[in-house]
Amino acid sequence: QKEVEQNSGPLSVPEGAIASLNCTYSDRVSQSFFWYRQYSGKSPELIMSIYSNGDKEDGRFTAQLNKASQYVSLLIRDSQPSDSATYLCAVGGAGNMLTFGGGTRLMVKP
Amino acid sequence: DGGITQSPKYLFRKEGQNVTLSCEQNLNHDAMYWYRQDPGQGLRLIYYSQIVNDFQKGDIAEGYSVSREKKESFPLTVTSAQKNPTAFYLCASSSLAGHRDTQYFGPGTRLTVL
Repeated sequence: QKEVEQNSGPLSVPEGAIASLNCTYSDRVSQSFFWYRQYSGKSPELIMSIYSNGDKEDGRFTAQLNKASQYVSLLIRDSQPSDSATYLCAVGGAGNMLTFGGGTRLMVKP
Repeated sequence: DGGITQSPKYLFRKEGQNVTLSCEQNLNHDAMYWYRQDPGQGLRLIYYSQIVNDFQKGDIAEGYSVSREKKESFPLTVTSAQKNPTAFYLCASSSLAGHRDTQYFGPGTRLTVL
């Protein structure tokens, strides 16, 4: 059974700080990794994808991947109250399937 | 505008009823998926389809059925055999070209059993 683990939170950070969200996965052959943001009562929205070891930056967001440690993270710089949401980590496997973690709830306090 | 639409937004089901949730996409995506999300939980795969007239069971297919008669449409029926159907249902789609597993989601249908 493929597993994707996230701390459920809530993770509370002050406005302007860096929020760090972490995800570990069990399937060593996974090749694709995604972060989705989900506001309360809404559907998930793709914010980052990463396929290679290292960092990938997009605006205030940086995804970090370490396949040897089976670990993927998302950093949000200059956190804003509008970033308050649940962040879902998803890992791609065989047959274009994604396995989702349970999500981490982020709260950014003004 | 390209995107994925789901209807209805809210749906109420009485005990013993079958209900059908609609999912339509105009992204020309080959693959479509149905997920269920329970409060405070991640997404669990119900069914998926990568080609018209073919679909596969996901992790929690019992009590659900689907069809894929058109590339654009992938309706989900929640049957009376599904004993605990109250949940948020999400439809997604992906292209099978390029980054094949990048999935995009519709707005969801919230189903409540009365």
